[in-house]
Amino acid sequence: DTAVSQTPKYLVTQMGNDKSIKCEQNLGHDTMYWYKQDSKKFLKIMFSYNNKELIINETVPNRFSPKSPDKAHLNLHINSLELGDSAVYFCASSQDKRTFSWGSGNTIYFGEGSWLTVV
Amino acid sequence: AQTVTQSQPEMSVQEAETVTLSCTYDTSENNYYLFWYKQPPSRQMILVIRQEAYKQQNATENRFSVNFQKAAKSFSLKISDSQLGDTAMYFCAFMTLNQAGTALIFGKGTTLSVSS
Repeated sequence: DTAVSQTPKYLVTQMGNDKSIKCEQNLGHDTMYWYKQDSKKFLKIMFSYNNKELIINETVPNRFSPKSPDKAHLNLHINSLELGDSAVYFCASSQDKRTFSWGSGNTIYFGEGSWLTVV
Repeated sequence: AQTVTQSQPEMSVQEAETVTLSCTYDTSENNYYLFWYKQPPSRQMILVIRQEAYKQQNATENRFSVNFQKAAKSFSLKISDSQLGDTAMYFCAFMTLNQAGTALIFGKGTTLSVSS
């Protein structure tokens, strides 16, 4: 029973193509995220959504467009792929901030990552 | 802005020995969580241990324990009786809650190698 699942796990594509990565969580969480791990393994948040509403939008090229059809899904679409987009992209989810309480053991759960290689 | 610093890019230890990974952070918040995540070569992000800032008692999970020094903003991870399976990259991470919601801020990681 995978809590946060993302597809595809591996994706090799050519420069200039458009691709999507899908993410689904079955934890009942209201908040979902996309993180990017670059070649130096540095993890940085890209976006977060709370119940389908965009909350965090870090400095990311507008070629990247997240879409949340419902609170259990957060997809990432990338237009006009560039070599520098090659990375591992992680989807994650956590409890809604409105029900967040200190001491509740809130944790961010990660998917297994999607390895994107742009050639 | 919150930052997380891991000053040891790489560490190595022999099986059965104890190793400590360092982490410091900077924040003006009073309530927050601190985490250590393990990332093996498969790149899966595995939660190792969590500490709530309001708790003075250090968290422990089997062979893993932390030394949380709130005033010093230090959060080190101790791995006892190291095993070959502990070989991985370890990330220290900080999470707080503000109007924008919650998000993890990661350090740059420490690569731990356990040898026999």
